[in-house]
Amino acid sequence: QVTLKESGPGILQPSQTLSLTCTFSGFSLSTYGMGVGWIRQPSGKGLEWLANIWWDDDKYYNPSLKNRLTISKDTSNNQAFLKITNVDTADTATYYCATTTGFDYWGQGVMVTVSS
Amino acid sequence: DIVMTQAPLSVSVTPGESASISCRSSKSLLHSNGITYVYWYLQKPGKSPQLLIYRMSNLASGVPDRFSGSGSETDFTLKISRVEAEDVGIYYCGQLLENPYTFGAGTKLELK
Repeated sequence: QVTLKESGPGILQPSQTLSLTCTFSGFSLSTYGMGVGWIRQPSGKGLEWLANIWWDDDKYYNPSLKNRLTISKDTSNNQAFLKITNVDTADTATYYCATTTGFDYWGQGVMVTVSS
Repeated sequence: DIVMTQAPLSVSVTPGESASISCRSSKSLLHSNGITYVYWYLQKPGKSPQLLIYRMSNLASGVPDRFSGSGSETDFTLKISRVEAEDVGIYYCGQLLENPYTFGAGTKLELK
């Protein structure tokens, strides 16, 4: 059974760095073809894809935020991470991680608020 | 970026009747491998999105066969036959062909 769960700081101030963790089970990021992606959703709005990381450590970023994003993984501990630097209020959203095979499994999401 | 345009923005359906949601992409989603990389998701109220249809017409695991997907290279349709109360939510189409992956704005399905 595949499960994913996001965790994050809840609230942070503008200009800080947002660090998110996705802890998963039921698959391994060392398995050929597997990957984890991050998608966010501001309250009441649509979905925005942010980044993917694959089993071979290949990484893809949304160009609109690329300079601010860093995705990484810890295969041994079944975790994936996303960092967003220099956050502002526009980064307030629910952040989801999902398996990259069509985003067929999603975590429950973690709400992040950027506020001074 | 590939723009995904959904219509309508909202639909109200009588339980037991069918509903169709359209999605149009600004670029062909047909890969040279013959696969069309359009996906459909349902986000039920207060929940995470869930995959319904992958690669245009394939039913995701555990999804009732009342759901079906079809289309061409740029025009896609999600059909729900015999709508039930559990189908209420926002439906999103998405393209996973090229970076950046993009999604439609969503179609809200309500019951009459």
